[in-house]
Formats: sequence, structure tokens, C-alpha cells
Amino acid sequence: EPEVTQTPSHQVTQMGQEVILRCVPISNHLYFYWYRQILGQKVEFLVSFYNNEISEKSEIFDDQFSVERPDGSNFTLKIRSTKLEDSAMYFCASRRGTLRTDTQYFGPGTRLTVL
Amino acid sequence: AQTVTQSQPEMSVQEAETVTLSCTYDTSESNYYLFWYKQPPSRQMILVIRQEAYKQQNATENRFSVNFQKAAKSFSLKISDSQLGDTAMYFCAFMKHGSSNTGKLIFGQGTTLQVKP
Repeated sequence: EPEVTQTPSHQVTQMGQEVILRCVPISNHLYFYWYRQILGQKVEFLVSFYNNEISEKSEIFDDQFSVERPDGSNFTLKIRSTKLEDSAMYFCASRRGTLRTDTQYFGPGTRLTVL
Repeated sequence: AQTVTQSQPEMSVQEAETVTLSCTYDTSESNYYLFWYKQPPSRQMILVIRQEAYKQQNATENRFSVNFQKAAKSFSLKISDSQLGDTAMYFCAFMKHGSSNTGKLIFGQGTTLQVKP
């Protein structure tokens, strides 16, 4: 069964460094998402992406964040200058198309630790 | 803005028994979707069940069923014949319906369910 994959599973970085989190959505999906979950807290929406552009972003998704679909298969989240409060689990999700019937499929997540 | 509230941070149930997880939400939308996602210790979130707000009939998926009360803005999940593999965190989620909707999910805080042998 197709699934969303994410790499790496765990990333440790120093404050102020740039990180890129990678996701490979399910191949025939058209809508892509990033969510984050700070330890012990709820899952929060970051950004949605469709047709090679951001369709919606949350207040969390400031100028330090960017997303890209560089080659038609990968979907990346870049944090330019990490802060301690960026430490969280980051989930990628994708869905095929029609809202009425579609399900968002989530990847296993990347745990980001900022020291 | 929409909000989703799960008031039970933790629950436990004996294997083979039934448990109900609560969820309430707030919205001014008339058409929307509600979901329950399961996040086991492996941390990958899996869809358990979904409900379209325009449908009066409660959704069911095998041992999982919901009690959807639109007027009360309540969406509880009932797990029958609980199994050890049901141990997980359960998230209630909301999604708007409509052509301008991006498919963004709004999650509740989660309920940790432990099934005891």
C-alpha cells in the first residue's frame, strides 16, 4: 500500500542553523501539508501546498519557513534559522484530490531537536 | 475560527470492554467534516473514522463508531471490544467544506487511551 515517507526520522541541530525536512508524498496525490507537534501538545497546521504554491499558511509559518516541491516527488520544509522553540515532531501529509472523499495520509514524522 | 476540544487527557479501559472518547468543537460553518485519528507509539497518524456534517447517520468502521450531535457540536468516538492494539493517542479533527477550503485539519489536544489486559 502506498505511504508517505519522511527523512530523516530524527534531526539534531544547533540554534541558528538551517534544516531541511524531506517528505515523499503518495505519488498520485496533489495536495500536500506540513503539521507540527510540540511534545505533549496538539498537532498544529503549518502550511498547505497545491499546484506548486502555498494555498494556506498558519501564523506559525513565518518568514523563517519555506516549502518547495523541487522535483515532482519530494516535498520539503526548510527552516532558515532554527530556534529552540522549533523543537517538535514535524508531520508531512498528502491527499489525492476531492475533499468529499479524500483522506489525508500522514508520514511517520521527523523529530527535530534544536540545541 | 474553529476550535476542537478534547477534555479527557487520559483514559484507560480493560481489554474487550467499551470506551467512549469525547470531542466538542466550535464553528460557524454549516458544512464540514470531522475525523478521529489514531497515533500509536510508532507516532504515525492513521485515520480511524470520518463523518460528513451533512449526514445524519453516524459513521461506523468495524469496532469504531461515532455519536455525532450537530446541534450540540459534539463528536464522540466509541471503541467496542477494545484490543491491546488500540492503545494510542486519539485526536479529533475538524475540516471545513467548500471550494475555498485547502483541506487544513484542526486538531484537538488528544486523548491518550490505554487498553489494559
